[in-house]
Amino acid sequence: GAGVSQSPSNKVTEKGKDVELRCDPISGHTALYWYRQRLGQGLEFLIYFQGNSAPDKSGLPSDRFSAERTGESVSTLTIQRTQQEDSAVYLCASSLALAETIETQYFGPGTRLLVL
Amino acid sequence: GENVEQHPSTLSVQEGDSAVIKCTYSDSASNYFPWYKQELGKRPQLIIDIRSNVGEKKDQRIAVTLNKTAKHFSLHITETQPEDSAVYFCAATMGYNFNKFYFGSGTKLNVKP
Repeated sequence: GAGVSQSPSNKVTEKGKDVELRCDPISGHTALYWYRQRLGQGLEFLIYFQGNSAPDKSGLPSDRFSAERTGESVSTLTIQRTQQEDSAVYLCASSLALAETIETQYFGPGTRLLVL
Repeated sequence: GENVEQHPSTLSVQEGDSAVIKCTYSDSASNYFPWYKQELGKRPQLIIDIRSNVGEKKDQRIAVTLNKTAKHFSLHITETQPEDSAVYFCAATMGYNFNKFYFGSGTKLNVKP
């Protein structure tokens, strides 16, 4: 079946503009995750959703970052008033996340964001 | 909070040799440790994982070992091939929350033919 998809694949924006990144998880996956990967670095956990709820938003770097999920499906990550340090690849992943079990996370291809 | 350290940052081996990548974690409650392979410009893909009730797991040329007492786990690749060249990331769950992960900073493995 279809894997995790993300759009856009690349986004170039000017400093101060808002951007919206979209993630379509694998159908039926209840958990959805957002990560940030700066060039040459590891993955930085941002937020996860269980269904449409985000139990823990402490990973979001600042109040300029927000995320939502609707219909236990698509999620959007919004960055307001973008800064150059926001430039990175934003990866989304999804998993079945059944209760009390650990399920494999499947990653999307990422959105490469460049803030000029 | 959790801190996952990964070493080395780069590793170069000759084709056919073994490669070992090590990670340490700080939260004794972490209970799941996946390893991901990321080829250049591609998404991370899970290659092997281990749970805290197991000390070792093997899948063909890849194995992972876990030492809970010392809080470290390692990835072992035997008989390396050029297609093993990639960046490898370790990860650990944040305590008992298996929906949150800390990732290591990555190891760039180069297998020379």
